[in-house]
Amino acid sequence: AQRVTQPEKLLSVFKGAPVELKCNYSYSGSPELFWYVQYSRQRLQLLLRHISRESIKGFTADLNKGETSFHLKKPFAQEEDSAMYYCALIAAGNKLTFGGGTRVLVKP
Amino acid sequence: DGGITQSPKYLFRKEGQNVTLSCEQNLNHDAMYWYRQDPGQGLRLIYYSQIVNDFQKGDIAEGYSVSREKKESFPLTVTSAQKNPTAFYLCASRQGTEAFFGQGTRLTVV
Repeated sequence: AQRVTQPEKLLSVFKGAPVELKCNYSYSGSPELFWYVQYSRQRLQLLLRHISRESIKGFTADLNKGETSFHLKKPFAQEEDSAMYYCALIAAGNKLTFGGGTRVLVKP
Repeated sequence: DGGITQSPKYLFRKEGQNVTLSCEQNLNHDAMYWYRQDPGQGLRLIYYSQIVNDFQKGDIAEGYSVSREKKESFPLTVTSAQKNPTAFYLCASRQGTEAFFGQGTRLTVV
């Protein structure tokens, strides 16, 4: 069975400080991993995907298969980064599973 | 306006009644999903469908049913067997690696 775990429900940081959101997964095959973000009063939307190895809005995430992790990082948090963040995994058969979410609050 | 539409935004039902939530997409996506979003529990998968006339149970399917008669539509029925139906329900569709979400339906059962 596939599972996504986000151990932190809330992360509170000051503007300009680094932020790291943890994500661990369990899946026996080769997963596709993603980070989704939900800003206040907006729809849930894709932030980044591991296969693209991209940086979006200053965020990066590295897939570590040995540790089965896909942590999201940003070196300098901005107030507009305050949102709910979800780690997600797609397994064979198109099953898309999400973690419990982490709320990020960036204080001025 | 392309996208995925859920209706209604708010829904109230009496306990013991079945209720159907609508989800329509015009993105020509094959895969569609239903999630339940509760505070502190993230998104939990109820049902998903990879293609028309096919669907699979997710992690919390008990008390719910779906159909996929058309590619564009994936309605979710919350039955009277669902013990705690009051929640926020999200529908999504996907083609390739990105999923697109509706704005959600908040169901309140009184």
